[in-house]
Amino acid sequence: EAGVAQSPRYKIIEKRQSVAFWCNPISGHATLYWYQQILGQGPKLLIQFQNNGVVDDSQLPKDRFSAERLKGVDSTLKIQPAKLEDSAVYLCASSPRAGPGSYEQYFGPGTRLTVT
Amino acid sequence: AQSVTQPDIHITVSEGASLELRCNYSYGATPYLFWYVQSPGQGLQLLLKYFSGDTLVQGIKGFEAEFKRSQSSFNLRKPSVHWSDAAEYFCAVGAISSNTGKLIFGQGTTLQVKP
Repeated sequence: EAGVAQSPRYKIIEKRQSVAFWCNPISGHATLYWYQQILGQGPKLLIQFQNNGVVDDSQLPKDRFSAERLKGVDSTLKIQPAKLEDSAVYLCASSPRAGPGSYEQYFGPGTRLTVT
Repeated sequence: AQSVTQPDIHITVSEGASLELRCNYSYGATPYLFWYVQSPGQGLQLLLKYFSGDTLVQGIKGFEAEFKRSQSSFNLRKPSVHWSDAAEYFCAVGAISSNTGKLIFGQGTTLQVKP
């Protein structure tokens, strides 16, 4: 089966510009996650969707970050305006299960964002 | 608060040598524990997981990990390392209190394999 797809793979923008990332999860997966991975750190959860509803967005900087999951399938993550500290790899993951069973997650290759 | 600590930021081993990567967690109850591997330019791949039962769990690529409650540890081991094992390894704990499948990751250990 096809894995989690993400685009673009790389993006370079200037601070205060906006940027959007796209994720297509594995077909049929109910749960979708966006993680931020800063260089030298482990991934940190930004937002979790179950179908098209938000389950957890407690660590999403809502003044500049937004995310949506259309029709419970694809998802987009947007940053507006970007700051230097947003430079990171943005990972999308999906799980076939919901609730505690969704710990088994499948990750996409990530989008590497550089903010200059 | 839950946390995961990987004490070794970088480890170098010779090909064919044994490997142990350390992971310590902070959590009040029995945790859900995971090891992921990340190769350069790739996403994270699940190596193995512990939910309950036998404390020695087997994973893919010849890896195993042992859950030790008394030491709050979940160390990853491999008896003989291959050059293709060079990658970054992340230990993670499931945030059970959230009941949502949220993972909390350690900072990672970079494994270098010498020929």
